[in-house]
Amino acid sequence: GQNIDQPTEMTATEGAIVQINCTYQTSGFNGLFWYQQHAGEAPTFLSYNVLDGLEEKGRFSSFLSRSKGYSYLLLKELQMKDSASYLCAVKNSGGYQKVTFGTGTKLQVIP
Amino acid sequence: GAVVSQHPSRVICKSGTSVKIECRSLDFQATTMFWYRQFPKQSLMLMATSNEGSKATYEQGVEKDKFLINHASLTLSTLTVTSAHPEDSSFYICSARVPDQYNEQFFGPGTRLTVL
Repeated sequence: GQNIDQPTEMTATEGAIVQINCTYQTSGFNGLFWYQQHAGEAPTFLSYNVLDGLEEKGRFSSFLSRSKGYSYLLLKELQMKDSASYLCAVKNSGGYQKVTFGTGTKLQVIP
Repeated sequence: GAVVSQHPSRVICKSGTSVKIECRSLDFQATTMFWYRQFPKQSLMLMATSNEGSKATYEQGVEKDKFLINHASLTLSTLTVTSAHPEDSSFYICSARVPDQYNEQFFGPGTRLTVL
């Protein structure tokens, strides 16, 4: 089975940097996704990590440590529109490589 | 990126009726699609993996006789909620993975089901 943990809520200030952590336990790991989801909408893809290290994409970066079962999403220069839920999801190495989501972190950006 | 559509976007039905939700990959062929359910303020829960030409694989606790999945073609998967009850009211989202591009999974816009 899989177990994915994220903080439930976070608050950060506009213009600041925020780090959202995700820890996971899985029997077969084959990659980790981060998605952004605004209320009432479908998730949108942010990043994918399969090897250890930091992946940078504009204001967003994602880090993975497979040995520690740990990832984080780093958001820089926060904007009000970044207020959303951020979902950590782990891809399984078996069969259809299904993706299982964590509970999500609701981020509120304040002025 | 690849586009996945869902229809309808919103449906309201009476308790006891059945509702069909369609998921289409518009510009690619998807041998595998996934159906998720999301209750308010909760994350996405994988319900089943839909495979073209074969039976769907259901997650533990999901009733396959209640949530019928048919993946009849490489671009279409359908989820039918049979004998719907108010507790089935939820946001249903499908996703599809582009073949040979396992780095990304594309999501449909979701279907909001309300059972009265």
